[in-house]
Amino acid sequence: EDKVVQSPLSLVVHEGDTVTLNCSYEVTNFRSLLWYKQEKKAPTFLFMLTSSGIEKKSGRLSSILDKKELFSILNITATQTGDSAVYLCAKDSNYQLIWGAGTKLIIKP
Amino acid sequence: ETGVTQSPTHLIKTRGQQVTLRCSSQSGHNTVSWYQQALGQGPQFIFQYYREEENGRGNFPPRFSGLQFPNYSSELNVNALELDDSALYLCASSPTPNTEAFFGQGTRLTVV
Repeated sequence: EDKVVQSPLSLVVHEGDTVTLNCSYEVTNFRSLLWYKQEKKAPTFLFMLTSSGIEKKSGRLSSILDKKELFSILNITATQTGDSAVYLCAKDSNYQLIWGAGTKLIIKP
Repeated sequence: ETGVTQSPTHLIKTRGQQVTLRCSSQSGHNTVSWYQQALGQGPQFIFQYYREEENGRGNFPPRFSGLQFPNYSSELNVNALELDDSALYLCASSPTPNTEAFFGQGTRLTVV
């Protein structure tokens, strides 16, 4: 079964901390790895990663892919309460996205 | 704001009934995918439509069916509803099958 595994499942930190979220995947039919943020309903797109070792950055968020070890990390620096959400990673496997269960991130003031 | 709208936002149905969920994609997006997201889990792929033809299907029974129309709208139909069908149903549209997908706000379906 094609799987995407995220860890940790939940994380509670204080405002200003740095967090690292992990996503591992299986190599079958890999096209890209995507990260989304889900606050209430619709996941919102963060990053698409296709090449190993090239960091993608957007403000305080950054992400990198390791295609040899089959994982990706999402880093958030100087966290704010507005970063509280579920962070989902998904593998683009031809016509469908295979999703992890998400990491629920809670930022305490 | 993704330009993808779903209706209704919430729905309560009785076990055994049938339901139709609707999605309006961004103009020019020929691909729509539907996902089921149970509470506390990641989305599960139901199927994808490209240019009004089914382009791929996940591990869902035939009572889950879909349609895509030329005006960039689509439907997800579920027959013989079961309690386990209670979930958030998300549609996502993209210009082609393998480009970034934009999600609607979802329909929360409760089966009682």
